[in-house]
Amino acid sequence: EDKVVQSPLSLVVHEGDTVTLNCSYEVTNFRSLLWYKQEKKAPTFLFMLTSSGIEKKSGRLSSILDKKELFSILNITATQTGDSAVYLCAVDSLANAGKSTFGDGTTLTVKP
Amino acid sequence: KAGVTQTPRYLIKTRGQQVTLSCSPISGHRSVSWYQQTPGQGLQFLFEYFSETQRNKGNFPGRFSGRQFSNSRSEMNVSTLELGDSALYLCASSLVLGLGVSSYEQYFGPGTRLTVT
Repeated sequence: EDKVVQSPLSLVVHEGDTVTLNCSYEVTNFRSLLWYKQEKKAPTFLFMLTSSGIEKKSGRLSSILDKKELFSILNITATQTGDSAVYLCAVDSLANAGKSTFGDGTTLTVKP
Repeated sequence: KAGVTQTPRYLIKTRGQQVTLSCSPISGHRSVSWYQQTPGQGLQFLFEYFSETQRNKGNFPGRFSGRQFSNSRSEMNVSTLELGDSALYLCASSLVLGLGVSSYEQYFGPGTRLTVT
């Protein structure tokens, strides 16, 4: 059965800090790893990673995948209070169309 | 382009009742997936529909069922509600590429918050 483990479960930082969120996974026939941000509503898509070693970047957020070690990290630099959210990691399998297996998420709180 | 819509947004039911939730995907998206989100279990996959057919199913009892219509809109039904069914039910849609392969990105609706008393 596919499995995603995120760490830490929660994190409290101050504005301006840099944070690294971790996601490790086990999946049969890996297709992609996805990061989502969830505030008090539905998850919104951040990144999709399919290849090892290629960094995806969007503003202060970046992510990278290691398919050999089966993990991904999400970095947020110069954090702002608006970054406070639950960050979800999910994996897709080639064998299971339309099904993403999600981790429990990391709750990030950024204090002013 | 309008996003994924779900109705109703909030629902309160009593144990033993049944409920039907509705999801309208983004125009052109033909794959619809349903998830249950609870504080203790996180986001868990219920099922996925494409072309009016259930392609994948998660580990939920038979009380949970769904269907998809020819316009790609989807409904899920939960019968004989239990207290543990209280959750946020999220629907997500995605494009289907060639050969029925779903695209990588799923777009989530706002969810239906179901409370069972």
